[in-house]
Amino acid sequence: EVQLVESGGGLVQPGGSLRLSCAASGFTFSTYNMNWVRQAPGKGLEWVSYLSTSSSTIYYADSVKGRFTISRDNAKNSLYLQMNSLRAEDTAVYYCARVQRGYTYGGFDYWGQGTPVTVSS
Amino acid sequence: SYVLTQPPSVSVAPGKTARITCGGNNIGSKSVHWYQQKPGQAPVLVVYYDNDRPSGIPERFSGSNSGHTATLTISRVEAGDEADYYCQVWDSSSDHYVFGTGTKVTVL
Repeated sequence: EVQLVESGGGLVQPGGSLRLSCAASGFTFSTYNMNWVRQAPGKGLEWVSYLSTSSSTIYYADSVKGRFTISRDNAKNSLYLQMNSLRAEDTAVYYCARVQRGYTYGGFDYWGQGTPVTVSS
Repeated sequence: SYVLTQPPSVSVAPGKTARITCGGNNIGSKSVHWYQQKPGQAPVLVVYYDNDRPSGIPERFSGSNSGHTATLTISRVEAGDEADYYCQVWDSSSDHYVFGTGTKVTVL
């Protein structure tokens, strides 16, 4: 069974940092492109970042570029999101999501349950 | 940046057909994916590449895409279809995924 389990969320002060993790199981993690998506309270989905299988291709939303860093460890079946210089508007539930196999920019066929991040003083 | 516009809400009676639109500049030249999200749950992919369904998704869910509008159609609507629905594309000009604004489907 495919599983994506996020962790690392919590309460952080503005300007602070947080590192999110996504543990993958039930599939060959190294062969799938991955993403982070967030959803602010009561709002819609916002794509955050994309990472290819070998980490050779990385993209960021304009709202997080220069502050967030996506990475992966294929040996540990894990995806990460390092979030620095956090702002109140970064408050959201953060999901990791897998891109469909065989499609470079396909749909997201599996999602984690999400980890909440609250940026507040 | 590329923008996808959806109606905030759609209401439909059980057994009828719901159509959810997703408007974007020349969206017909892009591939559209659709997600269903129920309260407190992660999104679920219901249609990909305009009109393909992942395994386990009922045939009642279908999609189309042409010109400046993509459409998700839910036939024979059931109470369990009540959820928020989002369209999504990959915008190659900006190297960004883009989600639509979302549509809340209410089953009357």
